[in-house]
Amino acid sequence: NAGVMQNPRHLVRRRGQEARLRCSPMKGHSHVYWYRQLPEEGLKFMVYLQKENIIDESGMPKERFSAEFPKEGPSILRIQQVVRGDSAAYFCASSPTGASDYGYTFGSGTRLTVV
Amino acid sequence: DAKTTQPPSMDCAEGRAANLPCNHSTISGNEYVYWYRQIHSQGPQYIIHGLKNNETNEMASLIITEDRKSSTLILPHATLRDTAVYYCIVRLPTDSWGKLQFGAGTQVVVTP
Repeated sequence: NAGVMQNPRHLVRRRGQEARLRCSPMKGHSHVYWYRQLPEEGLKFMVYLQKENIIDESGMPKERFSAEFPKEGPSILRIQQVVRGDSAAYFCASSPTGASDYGYTFGSGTRLTVV
Repeated sequence: DAKTTQPPSMDCAEGRAANLPCNHSTISGNEYVYWYRQIHSQGPQYIIHGLKNNETNEMASLIITEDRKSSTLILPHATLRDTAVYYCIVRLPTDSWGKLQFGAGTQVVVTP
C-alpha cells in the first residue's frame, strides 16, 4: 500500500512563474491536508480538502495560492506568480476521514525554490 | 487546542532509552496527546497518541500523568535513525479536522 505520494520532490521556479504541487493520498483516503514549512520554521497548516470540496482554507495566503482535489486525480496546490518568500517545503497529509483517530500520514514533501 | 511546552533539544546515547517530556497544563478533558516526529528533510511521521492510559506500540511508549497535565514519550532503545524533531500535539481527534498545531518541538540527537 503506497503512502502519500508528492511530486515533484524538488521544484525550481523563477519569480513570477507558476508552481504546481501534486499530492496523491493513500489508497482509500479521501481527505487531504496541505502544510508549509518555511526554512528554519515549524509546519503551518494551509488547507483541508475532501474530494471536490475545500473544507478549511484558513491557513492559505489570500492571494496567489489555490488548492483543489478533483473527483479524479491528485490534489493540486497552485501558487501563481511565485516570489522568493514562497520558497519552502510543502507537505501533504491524508486520512480516511476528517476526524482521524489514527494520526495523519504525511508525504515526503515538495521543496520549492524560487530564484 | 491546548498549547504544549517541550525542551528545545536533548541528546541521547545510542541503545539507551530516550525520555521526551511535554507539558500541557491547559489540556481539556477530551483532548488527546499526539506525538509526531520529523526526520530531516522528510514529512512528519505519526508515532503514538493517548487520552488517559499509558500506550505502547512498536515505536514508542506514551506515559500520561494522572492529572493529564504532562506526558513523556519513551523511545526504549534509541538508534541513530531516531535523530529527529519530536512534536507533542494536544487536540480533539474529532475537532479541528487535520489542522495540527505544530510547535517548535524537541530536537533529539542520538549519538553513538
